[in-house]
Amino acid sequence: DADVTQTPRNRITKTGKRIMLECSQTKGHDRMYWYRQDPGLGLRLIYYSFDVKDINKGEISDGYSVSRQAQAKFSLSLESAIPNQTALYFCATSVGPGERDSGELFFGEGSRLTVL
Amino acid sequence: AQSVTQLDSQVPVFEEAPVELRCNYSSSVSVYLFWYVQYPNQGLQLLLKYLSGSTLVKGINGFEAEFNKSQTSFHLRKPSVHISDTAEYFCAVTLSGGYQKVTFGTGTKLQVIP
Repeated sequence: DADVTQTPRNRITKTGKRIMLECSQTKGHDRMYWYRQDPGLGLRLIYYSFDVKDINKGEISDGYSVSRQAQAKFSLSLESAIPNQTALYFCATSVGPGERDSGELFFGEGSRLTVL
Repeated sequence: AQSVTQLDSQVPVFEEAPVELRCNYSSSVSVYLFWYVQYPNQGLQLLLKYLSGSTLVKGINGFEAEFNKSQTSFHLRKPSVHISDTAEYFCAVTLSGGYQKVTFGTGTKLQVIP
């Protein structure tokens, strides 16, 4: 089983609908992230969380919200989806602070969202 | 804030030929550097990373990269590519010494031609 699991893997929805993408991890990492991938733009950070009580905006947080329900779960919500939110979304994790922290990210397999 | 530039969006190369994927970064302080690979319909996985020490870093699948501080570069190389290396490659940077945000480049698609 994957260490970082994203659901759903594919979703087609209509403009104005509320969408939630879920991420769960079995790596025991404190830090979790949501990235968005668009062709030619690479990966851009939406939100990140250092622990259950810590939520931070990334570079493109407008139109998104997140919830860290537990150390292992981090969900991304689009309250009212719009077509330019059509993208591939990745959840990632990394270890907490300390000597082991190299910044290496561990990714899920992605959730492809299409907003019509 | 740090940034990273991948100048080549696509690189076609014949099978068994060498390849270099270029990455330049910008930062006023020490950085950690990474190369990730994304195979079709998959997430990203780490190829290699530079944290400190030797400037030549070896990774998985025969890839290596060299950290050049004076040129602020971290180019990825492989002496002989295989069809299975066809993928998108991302350079990434973060400030050293503990968590900082990881910034990704825009990616380079490597197309290996039989």
